[in-house]
Amino acid sequence: AQKVTQAQTEISVVEKEDVTLDCVYETRDTTYYLFWYKQPPSGELVFLIRRNSFDEQNEISGRYSWNFQKSTSSFNFTITASQVVDSAVYFCALSEEIAGNQFYFGTGTSLTVIP
Amino acid sequence: DAGVIQSPRHEVTEMGQEVTLRCKPISGHNSLFWYRQTMMRGLELLIYFNNNVPIDDSGMPEDRFSAKMPNASFSTLKIQPSEPRDSAVYFCASSLVGTGGRGIQYFGAGTRLSVL
Repeated sequence: AQKVTQAQTEISVVEKEDVTLDCVYETRDTTYYLFWYKQPPSGELVFLIRRNSFDEQNEISGRYSWNFQKSTSSFNFTITASQVVDSAVYFCALSEEIAGNQFYFGTGTSLTVIP
Repeated sequence: DAGVIQSPRHEVTEMGQEVTLRCKPISGHNSLFWYRQTMMRGLELLIYFNNNVPIDDSGMPEDRFSAKMPNASFSTLKIQPSEPRDSAVYFCASSLVGTGGRGIQYFGAGTRLSVL
């Protein structure tokens, strides 16, 4: 079973629109960590955020914000006033305390921001 | 500080040849991961090491693949013999796992492998 589901395969928005990328995870562990990574067209994977399961406070970093809801096992990512430079593939990942150090990555959401 | 360094960035080889991919993790990190990314299968974990010891190699496709970490600052992923279906981007990542919770994995730029 897929531990991390990113149901949106591709999203296109017009510049300056807001966009939310969905991430749903599955775990029986009480201690776990959630991550978002960005993969721009150049190919590298860039870390964006880490959240642990005991911290449900939403986080905002500039135009980026993350909504963590344990009740729905979701960790959604919103980009406000999108820009062309936001065009990339975004990956959500889960790491469980009981499963060692490995990450379970979702299949990614490809975001295209149209100028 | 230098990030994770992978070499080569691009590799083109012929079927049957041996391929060696290299990775230098971030200094001080104690975990190292090898991933493969393809359009069909996405990002797959091949193997990871803690303190230079292989912990989980269940993602290694078959015996043609092998990985080593002889010391804390160097790891290799070898494919022998290579096949066209091995064509992919191979990423190395490292993290520091300790008392501060699950370490963030930092990725190298990747090696794009093409097997003809």
